[in-house]
Amino acid sequence: DAGVTQSPTHLIKTRGQQVTLRCSPKSGHDTVSWYQQALGQGPQFIFQYYEEEERQRGNFPDRFSGHQFPNYSSELNVNALLLGDSALYLCASSSGGGNQPQHFGDGTRLSIL
Amino acid sequence: QKEVEQNSGPLSVPEGAIASLNCTYSDRGSQSFFWYRQYSGKSPELIMFIYSNGDKEDGRFTAQLNKASQYVSLLIRDSQPSDSATYLCAPWGYSTLTFGKGTMLLVSP
Repeated sequence: DAGVTQSPTHLIKTRGQQVTLRCSPKSGHDTVSWYQQALGQGPQFIFQYYEEEERQRGNFPDRFSGHQFPNYSSELNVNALLLGDSALYLCASSSGGGNQPQHFGDGTRLSIL
Repeated sequence: QKEVEQNSGPLSVPEGAIASLNCTYSDRGSQSFFWYRQYSGKSPELIMFIYSNGDKEDGRFTAQLNKASQYVSLLIRDSQPSDSATYLCAPWGYSTLTFGKGTMLLVSP
């Protein structure tokens, strides 16, 4: 039984570029949440998707957007990249519409030059 | 603004000792509380969760919750060097988790 999978594992971009990160939830999970974790900090909630809609959103600008597909997989898109966007991006999935413990993927390490 | 406070540490304990990790939170609407362990360079791993006031034990781990004091803790008995990691406290409410910065635990042989 595969857990949460994320791709790519590492990515290097330059300022102003756009990036798309991908996440496949654990089997049986229908809710996907995205987090940004800067070095030395706890994960910060970006947004959550359920039934292909953004259900909750944290304090992140509109440059951060996402999508959930009918198979529950999800994408995180970030436009106009800034140096401060360098971080570990974590995807977590859960079941029951998000009312169950969240399980994390291994993350995507994004570096902005 | 939901806030979660944890002592950043490091908390150093010798092998075999009890490690006590503490967390306070601001949102009284938080319904349940999760503890995650994160090894350096890795993603968070769920180790415990607790919904009700009191204690919950799972192996060497005990989570304690006091909603009136807005306080949650994690005790690790018989600490092992492999327990050395950052422990993240995360209250859950309104379908989302709010994480603290985490406490680094170092267990020396």
